[in-house]
Amino acid sequence: EAGVVQSPRYKIIEKKQPVAFWCNPISGHNTLYWYRQNLGQGPELLIRYENEEAVDDSQLPKDRFSAERLKGVDSTLKIQPAELGDSAVYLCASSSAGAFLYEQYFGPGTRLTVT
Amino acid sequence: LAKTTQPISMDSYEGQEVNITCSHNNIATNDYITWYQQFPSQGPRFIIQGYKTKVTNEVASLFIPADRKSSTLSLPRVSLSDTAVYYCLGGANNLFFGTGTRLTVIP
Repeated sequence: EAGVVQSPRYKIIEKKQPVAFWCNPISGHNTLYWYRQNLGQGPELLIRYENEEAVDDSQLPKDRFSAERLKGVDSTLKIQPAELGDSAVYLCASSSAGAFLYEQYFGPGTRLTVT
Repeated sequence: LAKTTQPISMDSYEGQEVNITCSHNNIATNDYITWYQQFPSQGPRFIIQGYKTKVTNEVASLFIPADRKSSTLSLPRVSLSDTAVYYCLGGANNLFFGTGTRLTVIP
């Protein structure tokens, strides 16, 4: 079974430029999460989707961040314009109703560097 | 979100049992406690989850006292490959990771 796929793995951009991250969850997983992880910290939830619906986006900085999951499968997270403080690893995870509540499967992440 | 508190770091020698305790004083009645492991440059990986008493799988054991205000992750006979950051999650939707415990296994 393929895991969560994220691309790109690394991205370097100048501040004020836009950037987008893509995530393909595990097949059949209806819940998709985007996290941001700063160096030395744990992941922080940005947004959670149940199928196509964003059910928790309270931590998403909506002035510059946006996300979509149009067909309830893959998802895109966008930052426009990027700021120096956005440098972090952006993690995508997915889960499904199963034996363990909220057992999340994480992708490898996209390391963003804003210069 | 119910927040958790765990030690920032721990060291252990190879072959020893390691116990990492997490405090979650405000855990709600219907919340589960979940532990994840994260290696450098990788996403976190689910280890174990429980609601009360004891849960054991092939990787670890999880002990949860009756009041559920804390939990202890037990790793038997650790090896160098167990060096990682361990996160305890105990709250609504189990989505608050905190800073985790950095475990270093020493040869």
